[in-house]
Amino acid sequence: EPEVTQTPSHQVTQMGQEVILRCVPISNHLYFYWYRQILGQKVEFLVSFYNNEISEKSEIFDDQFSVERPDGSNFTLKIRSTKLEDSAMYFCANSGQGALGTEAFFGQGTRLTVV
Amino acid sequence: AQSVTQLGSHVSVSEGALVLLRCNYSSSVPPYLFWYVQYPNQGLQLLLKYTSAATLVKGINGFEAEFKKSETSFHLTKPSAHMSDAAEYFCAVNNFGNEKLTFGTGTRLTIIP
Repeated sequence: EPEVTQTPSHQVTQMGQEVILRCVPISNHLYFYWYRQILGQKVEFLVSFYNNEISEKSEIFDDQFSVERPDGSNFTLKIRSTKLEDSAMYFCANSGQGALGTEAFFGQGTRLTVV
Repeated sequence: AQSVTQLGSHVSVSEGALVLLRCNYSSSVPPYLFWYVQYPNQGLQLLLKYTSAATLVKGINGFEAEFKKSETSFHLTKPSAHMSDAAEYFCAVNNFGNEKLTFGTGTRLTIIP
C-alpha cells in the first residue's frame, strides 16, 4: 500500500510564528494537495500543486500560505504568521493521475495548535 | 458547484448488524464519488469510489455503496458490522471542472459489542 508520510505529527506554535508542515509523497505520484480539518468541521481543500506550480487554491489559501517542493521530493506547506484560527489538522494528499475519479492517498496528518 | 451532505454525525450499530451511512451529493455535472475512512490517529483511507461505471461499487473490508442518480445518493453499507469498523467515515465528491475533493462533515461509527 503506497504511503504518504507527514511530519511532524503534532506542532504547537505561538501566534505570529511561522510553521512549515512537511510531506513525503509517493514516488512518481506528481499531483499534490493540502487539506485541513478544523476540529469538528469538514475536511476542506486548501491547494493543489502539479508540475511545480499551484493548479488550484481555495479562498482559505491566502497570502500567508505557500507551498513548494524545495528539494524536488518533499512537499511543504508554510504558514507565515500563524493565527489562532489556523489551529487544525492538516492533511497532505498525493495522487498519480490527478484527483478526478482517482484515489488520492492521504498522510496521517499534522495537528497544528496555535496558542 | 458541488457539495456533499452526510446525515447523522454519529451512528451506532451492534456488532453483526447492518451498517448504513448516508451520503447525498449535489453536482451540476456527473460526479465522481468517494468514501474514505479515518481510523484514530491515521490518515484518510479510500474505501471505494464511483466513476460512472457500475452503480454498485464494492470496496475494501466488505463495504459497498450504490450510486442512485434519481435520489442523488451514494450510501455506504456493510451487511454485518465488526468491531474493527469503528472509525470516522467521509463521503466526498469531485467532477470535471472541479477536481478538488469536497468532503462531507463525516459520520462517526460506533460498534456496540
